[in-house]
Order: sequence, then C-alpha cells, then structure tokens
Amino acid sequence: ILNVEQSPQSLHVQEGDSTNFTCSFPSSNFYALHWYRWETAKSPEALFVMTLNGDEKKKGRISATLNTKEGYSYLYIKGSQPEDSATYLCASSNTGFQKLVFGTGTRLLVSP
Amino acid sequence: NAGVTQTPKFQVLKTGQSMTLQCAQDMNHNSMYWYRQDPGMGLRLIYYSASEGTTDKGEVPNGYNVSRLNKREFSLRLESAAPSQTSVYFCASNPKRGAVSYEQYFGPGTRLTVT
Repeated sequence: ILNVEQSPQSLHVQEGDSTNFTCSFPSSNFYALHWYRWETAKSPEALFVMTLNGDEKKKGRISATLNTKEGYSYLYIKGSQPEDSATYLCASSNTGFQKLVFGTGTRLLVSP
Repeated sequence: NAGVTQTPKFQVLKTGQSMTLQCAQDMNHNSMYWYRQDPGMGLRLIYYSASEGTTDKGEVPNGYNVSRLNKREFSLRLESAAPSQTSVYFCASNPKRGAVSYEQYFGPGTRLTVT
C-alpha cells in the first residue's frame, strides 16, 4: 500500500503569517498529486491537481509545488487569514489515476 | 446543481444489521468512489467505479459491497455491520476523461455508528 505522509500534523499561526506544509509520497510509478482543503463540518474541496515534475500552481494566496523525482510537494499559504483554518489533505496516485491514497492531513489554525 | 448527495446523514446500527448508504451525483461524472474516514487516519478508499457497470476494490473493501446502479448513483452496502465499521463515509465523483487525473468532488458524508 502506498504511504503518503504529511507534516506537520497541526500548525497554529497568527493572522498575516505565511506558512507551508509538506506532503511526501513514493516517487516510483507516480501519476498525480492532489491537494484538498477540508473545513470542519464540510466536505473536502479540491485545491490543486499536479502531475508534472516542477509543476507550480496558484490559487489566490495558496500555491503548491511538486517534485516527483524526490517524492514531495509543498503547499504554501501567504498572509494566513482566519478563514484559512482547515485541514489540508494531500493524496497521491501511483497505481492508476483513479485510485488516490490520502495522507492524514495538516490541521491549520489561524488566530486573529 | 446539487453536486454529490448522500443519504442518510446519520445512522446508528446494531451489530449484525444491514443497511445501504446511497450516493448520487448530478454532474454527469463517469467515476464514483466510496471512502471511510477514521480518527488519525487518512481517507481510505473502500470501492470505486470507473464507469457505469464497473466496480473495483479499493484499500479496505472487506465487509462492504457496492452497486453502480446507473451513471448517477453508487450505493454502498453493509451486509452485517460490525463495530469496526463505525466511521464517517464519504462518496466522491470525478469526470474521468482519458488518462487524466481529475479532482474529486465529495458528498457531505454519512456518520455511521455500529453498537
């Protein structure tokens, strides 16, 4: 079974801080890397899907990079806001593009 | 568009009882998925359906069966519920066109407790 690891498990920052999380995944037979944002009492919502080594994607203050050769992805949040508080999940697909294996997430709390 | 809908939202079962969790999507997506979420663990894939008429096992299929009734609906059945199946269940779908990995769209979840 593919092992996807995320760090840190949780993070508490102040409003305005910039922060980043790491997702590690096996680099062999890599197909795709997904990032999702999961707010409490809601469903996970997709942020990014990345497939190519060196990919960088951006959505507002959130961006992500991908290194498929060494098996990691970074998610960056610039100028964190309280509404960014959520769990951020990454998921990797190695065995086929249909099957995602999720990490346990990084829980972010942004205090005003 | 309602997106992905799941029923029921909550359910309590006794050990040995059976039930079916329903999932429907109105986005004309080809692929549908069932996951379970347990504390301290990532979302784990139970079963998925790449297209209407096909189903495949995921990471944790034991104790479950699925039916892809039509393109819209994908149900998950617990034939004889066990306390280990206490979890939050999420259904998801995505377009699946060719060999492309598309983002998945998740339903609101069903919280199941087996006593």
